[in-house]
Amino acid sequence: GQNIDQPTEMTATEGAIVQINCTYQTSGFNGLFWYQQHAGEAPTFLSYNVLDGLEEKGRFSSFLSRSKGYSYLLLKELQMKDSASYLCAVMDSNYQLIWGAGTKLIIKP
Amino acid sequence: EAGVAQSPRYKIIEKRQSVAFWCNPISGHATLYWYQQILGQGPKLLIQFQNNGVVDDSQLPKDRFSAERLKGVDSTLKIQPAKLEDSAVYLCASSKLAGGVYNEQFFGPGTRLTVL
Repeated sequence: GQNIDQPTEMTATEGAIVQINCTYQTSGFNGLFWYQQHAGEAPTFLSYNVLDGLEEKGRFSSFLSRSKGYSYLLLKELQMKDSASYLCAVMDSNYQLIWGAGTKLIIKP
Repeated sequence: EAGVAQSPRYKIIEKRQSVAFWCNPISGHATLYWYQQILGQGPKLLIQFQNNGVVDDSQLPKDRFSAERLKGVDSTLKIQPAKLEDSAVYLCASSKLAGGVYNEQFFGPGTRLTVL
């Protein structure tokens, strides 16, 4: 079967750095997406990785290792507004997105 | 560029009643998706349209759920009759491409359904 695993909840301090991990087992691989979802709102796109390595975009970076079936989202200089759920999703061989359950990130002052 | 529009934003019904949700995707987007998101879970794909044809409806409970995308633009998702376990947020998303590797999905605000 297809499976996406990510921690249910994480807590971090304002100004710090946090890494949210995602491991996956899917039928084929056509890229991995990270989405941010604030409570009661729709998911918004953060990043896309299809090749191994690190993609940096401002305070957010995303890493992919296809051989390990592993990705992480790195958030630097955390702000209170970063409190949200972070969803990992993998595009399988049929170009369908397989979604993880999301990681709820709590930022404390 | 206008985003994905959905209505209503909230709906409360009793079990066994019917309900319909509407979605208008971003102009020019070929692909439209309906997702069900239960609290604390990731989105679950219900149905995917490419233009006005169905690409994937394998997880759509067809005994009670139906969806259409007339003229390949806006879409309606219907539940008839509703059950308690249908309480969830129903998200509509659209993407420009009909397939392919990089295919960012843009989400609407969702409809929060409560079945009593």
